[in-house]
Amino acid sequence: AQKVTQAQTEISVVEKEDVTLDCVYETRDTTYYLFWYKQPPSGELVFLIRRNSFDEQNEISGRYSWNFQKSTSSFNFTITASQVVDSAVYFCALSEVSNDYKLSFGAGTTVTVRA
Amino acid sequence: DAGVTQSPTHLIKTRGQHVTLRCSPISGHKSVSWYQQVLGQGPQFIFQYYEKEERGRGNFPDRFSARQFPNYSSELNVNALLLGDSALYLCASSFMGLAEQETQYFGPGTRLLVL
Repeated sequence: AQKVTQAQTEISVVEKEDVTLDCVYETRDTTYYLFWYKQPPSGELVFLIRRNSFDEQNEISGRYSWNFQKSTSSFNFTITASQVVDSAVYFCALSEVSNDYKLSFGAGTTVTVRA
Repeated sequence: DAGVTQSPTHLIKTRGQHVTLRCSPISGHKSVSWYQQVLGQGPQFIFQYYEKEERGRGNFPDRFSARQFPNYSSELNVNALLLGDSALYLCASSFMGLAEQETQYFGPGTRLLVL
């Protein structure tokens, strides 16, 4: 069963628009971690954020913000005032204590920001 | 500080051949994980090693094997290559110490093409 679902396959926006990426996860663990990674065309996965299951505070880092809602098992990611450099594939991932912290990735969302 | 390094960056092999991919973790990290990313999909977990011991194995055939050396670097070996093994192979390192340090940092990957 898919543990992480990213329903949006591709999103295309014009520069300066906001874009929100959805992530829904499934786990029976009470302790788990959620991640977002960015994968530019070069291929390297760049770590963006890590959140543990006990911390539901939303977080903002520059133009990036994350909304963690345990009640709906969602961990959504918003890019505010998007820029062309934000064009990449974004992956949401789940790490469970019961699974020795292996990462289970979603299928990814391709974001294209047009100038 | 150097990040995770992988070699080679690209590789072309033919069916039936064997391949060895190499990874050096971030200094101080004792755990290495390997992931396979087929085009258009999220990374899939292959192996995790910690202190030279295999900690976990994903759903991959026995043609896939790995090991970790005393300096914490790692090799991924794939025997009897199939066309379907063509993918980006990503190595990730983490400390595997305190739970709050369980972020995995990825290398640039090795792109394997099997003809």
